[in-house]
Amino acid sequence: GQNIDQPTEMTATEGAIVQINCTYQTSGFNGLFWYQQHAGEAPTFLSYNVLDGLEEKGRFSSFLSRSKGYSYLLLKELQMKDSASYLCAAMDSNYQLIWGAGTKLIIKP
Amino acid sequence: GAVVSQHPSRVICKSGTSVKIECRSLDFQATTMFWYRQFPKQSLMLMATSNEGSKATYEQGVEKDKFLINHASLTLSTLTVTSAHPEDSSFYICSARDRDSLETQYFGPGTRLLVL
Repeated sequence: GQNIDQPTEMTATEGAIVQINCTYQTSGFNGLFWYQQHAGEAPTFLSYNVLDGLEEKGRFSSFLSRSKGYSYLLLKELQMKDSASYLCAAMDSNYQLIWGAGTKLIIKP
Repeated sequence: GAVVSQHPSRVICKSGTSVKIECRSLDFQATTMFWYRQFPKQSLMLMATSNEGSKATYEQGVEKDKFLINHASLTLSTLTVTSAHPEDSSFYICSARDRDSLETQYFGPGTRLLVL
């Protein structure tokens, strides 16, 4: 079956670095997405990886290892506004997104 | 970037009434639109996949007669919640796939439905 696993909740300190891991199993693979979702709002796109390696975009970076079925989202210089849920989603061979349950990130001062 | 709009953003209705939610792609053509539902503190749940000009494909456990989906054009899909009940209260989000970029989905801002 198809499955996405990510931690339910993480806590980090303002100014620090946090890494949110995601493992996936899908029928075929057309890329790995990370979305940010604040409470009461729709998800917003953060990153897309389809090749192995690290993609850096400002304070946020995303890594993919296709052979391991593994990705992580790295957030640097954490700010209070980064408190949100982070959703990992893998795209299968039919271009359907398979969603993780999301990781709630709590930032403390 | 591409924009997807949803209307209304928030709706309150009485139990037994029907509610229609519109999802529009504003500056691109979307052959496929997706409808999600999200209950508080839970992740997105795909309800159905809507392809322009054809019948929607519903996920297991989603009643097609209760959640009517129409995708009449390349820029508009509608979800109608028929005979809504309090348990249908949720956050409904659509996303649209760009016809020219299958790996790209753009999300609408969501519609919060409260059934009294």
